[in-house]
Amino acid sequence: EVQLVESGGGLVQPGGSLRLSCAASGFIFSVNHMTWVRQAPGKGLEWVSVIYSGYNTHYSDSVKGRFTISRDNSKNTLYLQMNSLQTEDTGVYYCARDIVSTNYMDVWGKGTTVTVSS
Amino acid sequence: DIQLTQSPSFLSASVGDRVTITCRASQAISNYLAWYQQKPGTAPKLLIYASFTLQSGVPSRFSGSGSGAEFTLTISSLQPEDFATYYCQQVNSYPLTFGGGTKVEIK
Repeated sequence: EVQLVESGGGLVQPGGSLRLSCAASGFIFSVNHMTWVRQAPGKGLEWVSVIYSGYNTHYSDSVKGRFTISRDNSKNTLYLQMNSLQTEDTGVYYCARDIVSTNYMDVWGKGTTVTVSS
Repeated sequence: DIQLTQSPSFLSASVGDRVTITCRASQAISNYLAWYQQKPGTAPKLLIYASFTLQSGVPSRFSGSGSGAEFTLTISSLQPEDFATYYCQQVNSYPLTFGGGTKVEIK
């Protein structure tokens, strides 16, 4: 079964850091681009970042310079290192698999919740 | 950045109704558009990609159309399990962006 499981969320103070992980199983992880999407409480979806199978990366303007996406194909795991966290970063963070060679997200994890508050 | 505007933002409909949701892009994006469905407390689900390609396992009552800057998602006969929020997303250029969402509720 194809599955993505996020972890690493929690409560952090403004200015703090968190590292999210997304464990993938049931498919050849190295082949697909992988994406992070977030959703603030009661709000819509916001694309955060993508890492290509070839390790190229892209970020939304709101996280560029603060967040770093990475992957470890040997561990079938996607990461999101989040630094200088702000209250506006609060929300549910989803990892998603992109359909091969596209940016369409066909498999999603259940999400992990990040709360930035003092 | 490419802005996506969905309309309506809220829709009240009955089971069996034909429902159409529109997504307008601030610039032409060819057919690089997807539609997702999200139910409360759950992750989004891919319905349609590349404007009109139905994702595997998605019922045929869902269809997508459009290219350039205007797109539509149509549900031909609304079913009880279709009450949810729908989002469009462009993958034409970075940063990728989502529309604001359309909430479909029971009339």
